[in-house]
Amino acid sequence: DTGVSQDPRHKITKRGQNVTFRCDPISEHNRLYWYRQTLGQGPEFLTYFQNEAQLEKSRLLSDRFSAERPKGSFSTLEIQRTEQGDSAMYLCASSRPTQGIDEQYFGPGTRLTVT
Amino acid sequence: SQQGEEDPQALSIQEGENATMNCSYKTSINNLQWYRQNSGRGLVHLILIRSNEREKHSGRLRVTLDTSKKSSSLLITASRAADTASYFCATDDGDNQGGKLIFGQGTELSVKP
Repeated sequence: DTGVSQDPRHKITKRGQNVTFRCDPISEHNRLYWYRQTLGQGPEFLTYFQNEAQLEKSRLLSDRFSAERPKGSFSTLEIQRTEQGDSAMYLCASSRPTQGIDEQYFGPGTRLTVT
Repeated sequence: SQQGEEDPQALSIQEGENATMNCSYKTSINNLQWYRQNSGRGLVHLILIRSNEREKHSGRLRVTLDTSKKSSSLLITASRAADTASYFCATDDGDNQGGKLIFGQGTELSVKP
Protein backbone atom coordinates (compact mmCIF):
# COMPACT_ATOMS: atom_id res chain seq x y z
CA ASP A 1 0.00 0.00 0.00
CA THR A 2 1.58 3.29 -1.07
CA GLY A 3 -0.91 5.60 0.61
CA VAL A 4 -0.47 7.77 3.71
CA SER A 5 -0.21 5.69 6.85
CA GLN A 6 -0.68 6.70 10.47
CA ASP A 7 0.18 4.97 13.69
CA PRO A 8 -1.44 4.19 16.02
CA ARG A 9 -4.98 4.10 14.71
CA HIS A 10 -6.42 4.45 18.17
CA LYS A 11 -4.97 5.80 21.40
CA ILE A 12 -6.59 5.97 24.80
CA THR A 13 -4.69 7.91 27.42
CA LYS A 14 -5.26 9.44 30.81
CA ARG A 15 -5.37 13.19 31.24
CA GLY A 16 -1.93 14.62 31.85
CA GLN A 17 -0.05 11.96 29.88
CA ASN A 18 2.00 12.65 26.77
CA VAL A 19 1.17 11.02 23.45
CA THR A 20 2.99 10.84 20.14
CA PHE A 21 1.54 10.02 16.73
CA ARG A 22 3.38 9.13 13.57
CA CYS A 23 2.57 9.80 9.94
CA ASP A 24 4.28 8.29 6.91
CA PRO A 25 3.44 10.24 3.76
CA ILE A 26 3.36 9.05 0.17
CA SER A 27 7.04 8.68 -0.63
CA GLU A 28 7.44 11.30 -3.36
CA HIS A 29 5.35 13.94 -1.56
CA ASN A 30 7.27 16.88 -0.15
CA ARG A 31 4.42 18.46 1.81
CA LEU A 32 2.91 16.98 4.95
CA TYR A 33 -0.08 18.35 6.83
CA TRP A 34 -1.66 17.71 10.21
CA TYR A 35 -5.37 18.33 10.83
CA ARG A 36 -7.65 17.72 13.78
CA GLN A 37 -11.28 16.67 13.48
CA THR A 38 -13.88 16.56 16.24
CA LEU A 39 -17.18 14.78 15.98
CA GLY A 40 -19.58 16.31 13.50
CA GLN A 41 -17.09 18.88 12.26
CA GLY A 42 -14.79 19.19 9.29
CA PRO A 43 -11.04 18.86 9.76
CA GLU A 44 -9.17 21.89 11.07
CA PHE A 45 -5.65 22.71 9.99
CA LEU A 46 -2.92 22.40 12.61
CA THR A 47 0.42 22.69 10.83
CA TYR A 48 2.32 21.74 7.70
CA PHE A 49 5.82 20.97 6.50
CA GLN A 50 7.53 21.41 3.22
CA ASN A 51 10.33 18.88 3.31
CA GLU A 52 11.71 19.24 6.85
CA ALA A 53 10.72 22.89 7.33
CA GLN A 54 7.61 23.66 9.36
CA LEU A 55 6.09 26.53 7.42
CA GLU A 56 2.84 27.32 9.15
CA LYS A 57 1.20 26.65 12.48
CA SER A 58 -2.41 27.28 13.43
CA ARG A 59 -3.41 29.17 16.54
CA LEU A 60 -5.05 25.86 17.50
CA LEU A 61 -1.58 24.46 18.03
CA SER A 62 -0.94 25.40 21.65
CA ASP A 63 2.49 25.12 23.24
CA ARG A 64 1.55 21.61 24.40
CA PHE A 65 1.63 20.49 20.77
CA SER A 66 4.81 19.97 18.80
CA ALA A 67 5.36 18.48 15.38
CA GLU A 68 8.54 17.42 13.66
CA ARG A 69 9.62 16.10 10.31
CA PRO A 70 13.33 15.60 10.90
CA LYS A 71 14.42 14.13 7.57
CA GLY A 72 11.65 15.38 5.38
CA SER A 73 9.96 11.99 5.32
CA PHE A 74 7.80 10.80 8.24
CA SER A 75 6.42 13.22 10.81
CA THR A 76 5.50 13.01 14.47
CA LEU A 77 2.92 14.99 16.40
CA GLU A 78 3.34 15.08 20.16
CA ILE A 79 0.80 16.32 22.67
CA GLN A 80 2.11 16.95 26.16
CA ARG A 81 -0.04 16.99 29.29
CA THR A 82 -3.12 15.87 27.41
CA GLU A 83 -6.49 17.35 28.27
CA GLN A 84 -9.95 15.97 27.63
CA GLY A 85 -10.46 18.65 24.99
CA ASP A 86 -7.67 17.05 22.97
CA SER A 87 -9.90 14.07 22.24
CA ALA A 88 -10.32 14.07 18.47
CA MET A 89 -9.27 12.39 15.26
CA TYR A 90 -5.82 13.53 14.15
CA LEU A 91 -5.42 13.36 10.40
CA CYS A 92 -2.27 13.52 8.34
CA ALA A 93 -2.17 14.38 4.66
CA SER A 94 0.59 14.65 2.09
CA SER A 95 0.94 16.27 -1.30
CA ARG A 96 3.32 17.27 -4.05
CA PRO A 97 2.07 20.59 -5.43
CA THR A 98 2.15 20.82 -9.21
CA GLN A 99 1.35 23.91 -11.27
CA GLY A 100 -0.34 25.59 -8.34
CA ILE A 101 -2.46 22.57 -7.47
CA ASP A 102 -1.99 21.05 -4.03
CA GLU A 103 -4.08 17.88 -4.02
CA GLN A 104 -3.84 16.38 -0.56
CA TYR A 105 -4.13 12.68 0.23
CA PHE A 106 -5.21 11.76 3.71
CA GLY A 107 -4.27 8.91 5.98
CA PRO A 108 -6.79 6.91 8.03
CA GLY A 109 -6.27 9.08 11.11
CA THR A 110 -5.40 8.46 14.75
CA ARG A 111 -8.35 8.63 17.09
CA LEU A 112 -7.31 9.98 20.49
CA THR A 113 -9.46 9.55 23.56
CA VAL A 114 -8.36 11.33 26.73
CA THR A 115 -10.02 10.00 29.86
CA SER B 1 -12.20 28.56 11.90
CA GLN B 2 -14.37 26.96 9.27
CA GLN B 3 -14.30 28.59 5.87
CA GLY B 4 -17.44 27.28 4.41
CA GLU B 5 -20.88 26.20 5.15
CA GLU B 6 -22.45 23.17 3.63
CA ASP B 7 -26.04 22.64 2.88
CA PRO B 8 -27.87 20.52 3.72
CA GLN B 9 -26.22 19.21 6.89
CA ALA B 10 -27.91 15.88 6.32
CA LEU B 11 -29.52 14.31 3.26
CA SER B 12 -31.40 11.02 2.99
CA ILE B 13 -32.34 9.60 -0.41
CA GLN B 14 -33.25 6.31 -2.08
CA GLU B 15 -30.79 4.35 -4.14
CA GLY B 16 -30.87 5.50 -7.75
CA GLU B 17 -31.79 9.09 -6.93
CA ASN B 18 -29.45 12.01 -7.41
CA ALA B 19 -27.87 13.81 -4.44
CA THR B 20 -26.90 17.46 -4.51
CA MET B 21 -24.78 19.11 -1.86
CA ASN B 22 -23.85 22.77 -1.71
CA CYS B 23 -20.91 24.58 -0.25
CA SER B 24 -20.31 28.27 0.32
CA TYR B 25 -17.03 29.91 1.24
CA LYS B 26 -15.88 33.34 2.29
CA THR B 27 -12.50 34.30 0.85
CA SER B 28 -10.87 34.21 -2.55
CA ILE B 29 -9.62 30.80 -3.61
CA ASN B 30 -7.31 29.16 -6.11
CA ASN B 31 -9.22 25.90 -6.14
CA LEU B 32 -11.91 23.94 -4.32
CA GLN B 33 -11.83 20.25 -3.51
CA TRP B 34 -14.47 17.75 -2.46
CA TYR B 35 -13.74 14.86 -0.13
CA ARG B 36 -15.71 11.87 1.13
CA GLN B 37 -15.37 10.39 4.59
CA ASN B 38 -16.84 7.11 5.66
CA SER B 39 -17.71 6.87 9.33
CA GLY B 40 -14.60 7.01 11.50
CA ARG B 41 -12.23 6.86 8.56
CA GLY B 42 -9.86 9.17 6.74
CA LEU B 43 -10.85 11.42 3.87
CA VAL B 44 -10.89 10.30 0.26
CA HIS B 45 -10.20 12.90 -2.40
CA LEU B 46 -13.02 13.04 -4.97
CA ILE B 47 -12.45 15.96 -7.28
CA LEU B 48 -10.68 19.31 -7.56
CA ILE B 49 -11.96 22.31 -9.48
CA ARG B 50 -9.82 25.34 -10.23
CA SER B 51 -11.11 28.86 -9.69
CA ASN B 52 -11.13 29.46 -13.47
CA GLU B 53 -13.28 26.39 -14.11
CA ARG B 54 -17.04 26.36 -13.89
CA GLU B 55 -17.86 22.68 -14.10
CA LYS B 56 -16.03 19.39 -13.84
CA HIS B 57 -17.07 15.77 -14.16
CA SER B 58 -15.64 12.57 -12.79
CA GLY B 59 -17.69 9.40 -13.28
CA ARG B 60 -20.99 9.92 -11.46
CA LEU B 61 -19.78 13.16 -9.90
CA ARG B 62 -20.41 16.64 -11.23
CA VAL B 63 -19.00 19.70 -9.52
CA THR B 64 -19.84 23.29 -10.31
CA LEU B 65 -18.14 26.42 -9.06
CA ASP B 66 -19.50 29.95 -9.04
CA THR B 67 -16.77 32.27 -7.81
CA SER B 68 -19.04 35.33 -8.02
CA LYS B 69 -21.36 33.72 -5.47
CA LYS B 70 -18.51 31.96 -3.66
CA SER B 71 -20.33 28.67 -3.89
CA SER B 72 -19.93 25.16 -5.24
CA SER B 73 -22.16 22.16 -5.63
CA LEU B 74 -21.50 18.44 -5.80
CA LEU B 75 -23.97 16.26 -7.66
CA ILE B 76 -23.84 12.50 -7.32
CA THR B 77 -25.99 10.84 -9.96
CA ALA B 78 -27.63 7.42 -9.69
CA SER B 79 -26.65 7.10 -6.04
CA ARG B 80 -25.75 3.77 -4.45
CA ALA B 81 -25.87 2.57 -0.86
CA ALA B 82 -22.06 2.64 -0.92
CA ASP B 83 -22.20 6.43 -1.41
CA THR B 84 -23.40 6.75 2.18
CA ALA B 85 -20.77 8.96 3.83
CA SER B 86 -20.01 12.52 4.87
CA TYR B 87 -18.99 14.89 2.10
CA PHE B 88 -16.79 17.92 2.68
CA CYS B 89 -15.75 20.79 0.53
CA ALA B 90 -12.36 22.32 1.16
CA THR B 91 -10.79 25.47 -0.14
CA ASP B 92 -7.26 26.74 -0.09
CA ASP B 93 -6.45 30.15 1.29
CA GLY B 94 -6.25 32.07 -1.97
CA ASP B 95 -4.01 34.77 -0.59
CA ASN B 96 -1.55 32.36 0.92
CA GLN B 97 1.00 30.33 -0.99
CA GLY B 98 0.72 27.59 1.58
CA GLY B 99 -1.56 24.70 0.87
CA LYS B 100 -3.60 24.40 4.03
CA LEU B 101 -7.18 23.42 3.37
CA ILE B 102 -10.15 25.02 5.05
CA PHE B 103 -13.07 22.62 5.37
CA GLY B 104 -16.78 23.07 5.68
CA GLN B 105 -18.80 21.21 8.28
CA GLY B 106 -19.88 18.59 5.80
CA THR B 107 -23.06 17.01 4.51
CA GLU B 108 -24.01 13.61 5.87
CA LEU B 109 -25.49 11.59 3.02
CA SER B 110 -27.54 8.48 3.63
CA VAL B 111 -28.53 6.37 0.62
CA LYS B 112 -31.16 3.79 1.43
CA PRO B 113 -31.27 0.58 -0.63
